[in-house]
Amino acid sequence: GENVEQHPSTLSVQEGDSAVIKCTYSDSASNYFPWYKQELGKGPQLIIDIRSNVGEKKDQRIAVTLNKTAKHFSLHITETQPEDSAVYFCAAGRNQFYFGTGTSLTVIP
Amino acid sequence: NAGVMQNPRHLVRRRGQEARLRCSPMKGHSHVYWYRQLPEEGLKFMVYLQKENIIDESGMPKERFSAEFPKEGPSILRIQQVVRGDSAAYFCASSLADNNEQFFGPGTRLTVL
Repeated sequence: GENVEQHPSTLSVQEGDSAVIKCTYSDSASNYFPWYKQELGKGPQLIIDIRSNVGEKKDQRIAVTLNKTAKHFSLHITETQPEDSAVYFCAAGRNQFYFGTGTSLTVIP
Repeated sequence: NAGVMQNPRHLVRRRGQEARLRCSPMKGHSHVYWYRQLPEEGLKFMVYLQKENIIDESGMPKERFSAEFPKEGPSILRIQQVVRGDSAAYFCASSLADNNEQFFGPGTRLTVL
């Protein structure tokens, strides 16, 4: 089955700086890579996703890159704001998703 | 357009009782997924269902756990004879089709005393 690893587990940045979270996956059959943001006591919220026929995708301050050869993908958040503080999960798969263990991001005002 | 609905939001059961968790997918979505999240951990896939069919239950324990998604009504995740280790947050997600974006509900937090 798929194995997704995510780093770092915790990340603190100053407001306005960039944050980068990295994930690797093992199953070359995976073709869909979503990123979720989870706030305390809530369900995960899809923030951006990428498919394996695309190398990069951007949505305002959030971007995701995918290197299918190396089997890794990354989330980039620029100009971070305190409201970006949350736990972020990467996932990989086809129908069912396999999640990383999460990155707790703290943006310090 | 309501999102994915889950109820109850919190459920307390004593060891040996049954827990029933309900999930109503987004309007128009016919694919439902159940995940379990232990404290400080990521989400673990349990089961993938379409209307009246279980497509993939490879992540679900073989005993005590079952899931259904009937033609009418919500999807149900049923845990029989609960044990303390079943305490977790259970999330349901739905999608329009397979290999498509999954939208998550707010979860049911199960506590087994």
